[in-house]
Amino acid sequence: GESVGLHLPTLSVQEGDNSIINCAYSNSASDYFIWYKQESGKGPQFIIDIRSNMDKRQGQRVTVLLNKTVKHLSLQIAATQPGDSAVYFCAEISGTGGFKTIFGAGTRLFVKA
Amino acid sequence: DAGVTQSPTHLIKTRGQQVTLRCSPKSGHDTVSWYQQALGQGPQFIFQYYEEEERQRGNFPDRFSGHQFPNYSSELNVNALLLGDSALYLCASSFFNRNTGELFFGEGSRLTVL
Repeated sequence: GESVGLHLPTLSVQEGDNSIINCAYSNSASDYFIWYKQESGKGPQFIIDIRSNMDKRQGQRVTVLLNKTVKHLSLQIAATQPGDSAVYFCAEISGTGGFKTIFGAGTRLFVKA
Repeated sequence: DAGVTQSPTHLIKTRGQQVTLRCSPKSGHDTVSWYQQALGQGPQFIFQYYEEEERQRGNFPDRFSGHQFPNYSSELNVNALLLGDSALYLCASSFFNRNTGELFFGEGSRLTVL
């Protein structure tokens, strides 16, 4: 079935370094992508989104890159902080009037002080 | 402005029993989606409700059913519980006619089946 995969299940970075989390998606019809952050005991929370007609979008300390040719997404976190420790999911969205969101398995980010 | 609220937060059932989970969407949202999240995995889409009808469904058996009420709140029902149904059940609300695809999640209901 439809799936969104991730290259690395865990990522450990030093505080202050930049983090890069990668994701591959499978549905070429998906026109919208979102990165979510899930902290322990909480539901996923929106970080940043990107539409399929874009290849880069920047937020506060985060950047999402989209490569439609190889169906690849990445999330870059600048100057990673201990509060960034969480599980990160990429999600692909397709359809209108009742869109469907498919999540990947997630990458756990550990930030070492 | 209340966010998405779910109840109960934790519950324990035995195999074969039935469970009902409840969700109130974020104020102003008209659509509720339910997800199952097993430990160490990503959320798996169960179904989506809008205008009191199931609009989309993931690969879940008929034991999983739902309902949406006129005030947009929703219930998830699971019959004949199996050990494998143990998971965190997440409710997410959104606008049906989207300009964005952002889902707003509750903190989930953790179901343990013994």
